[in-house]
Amino acid sequence: KAGVTQTPRYLIKTRGQQVTLSCSPISGHRSVSWYQQTPGQGLQFLFEYFSETQRNKGNFPGRFSGRQFSNSRSEMNVSTLELGDSALYLCASSLQELGTDTQYFGPGTRLTVL
Amino acid sequence: AQSVTQLGSHVSVSEGALVLLRCNYSSSVPPYLFWYVQYPNQGLQLLLKYTSAATLVKGINGFEAEFKKSETSFHLTKPSAHMSDAAEYFCAVRHNQAGTALIFGKGTTLSVSS
Repeated sequence: KAGVTQTPRYLIKTRGQQVTLSCSPISGHRSVSWYQQTPGQGLQFLFEYFSETQRNKGNFPGRFSGRQFSNSRSEMNVSTLELGDSALYLCASSLQELGTDTQYFGPGTRLTVL
Repeated sequence: AQSVTQLGSHVSVSEGALVLLRCNYSSSVPPYLFWYVQYPNQGLQLLLKYTSAATLVKGINGFEAEFKKSETSFHLTKPSAHMSDAAEYFCAVRHNQAGTALIFGKGTTLSVSS
């Protein structure tokens, strides 16, 4: 079974632009979560989707948004990019939305903002 | 709010020595706790998880962790380190009582010398 895939793997943008990242979960998984990883702040939870509905949200500004499609694929969007948005963005999928479920992580999208 | 503290951002051991990575948690709901490992330029891989069953949890690659409620701890151990264990290790607690989102510690980099 294929793992979580994220596209693109690398991205370079300039300040003020917007960006869309894509995540395809493991087949059959219905929950998708997004995380931001930076050297200074570590791994921070962005949001979680289940059955096209946002179930949980982390403490990020409204410039960060996401959505989930009926096939469980998810996208996250960052508008008006800032230098501090440079990070590795990780997507994780799980079978359901139970707290006991294991999250399986993709390889991440490395975003660089110049 | 849930939080995780990993004591020691960097731990160095010799090959064959005991590995001990420390994690303390704070949770307002019954905690579900996880240990993940991240190799360079890769996503996170689950080592083991505690979901209120047995307090001693065995994971992959010879790792185990013990949940101690009285100490609010979930330390990760391995009796004998291998060179291949060199990586970054993250302890995590579930975000809240619903969903699979996780709150991560800052991580501990494990170095193994021959």
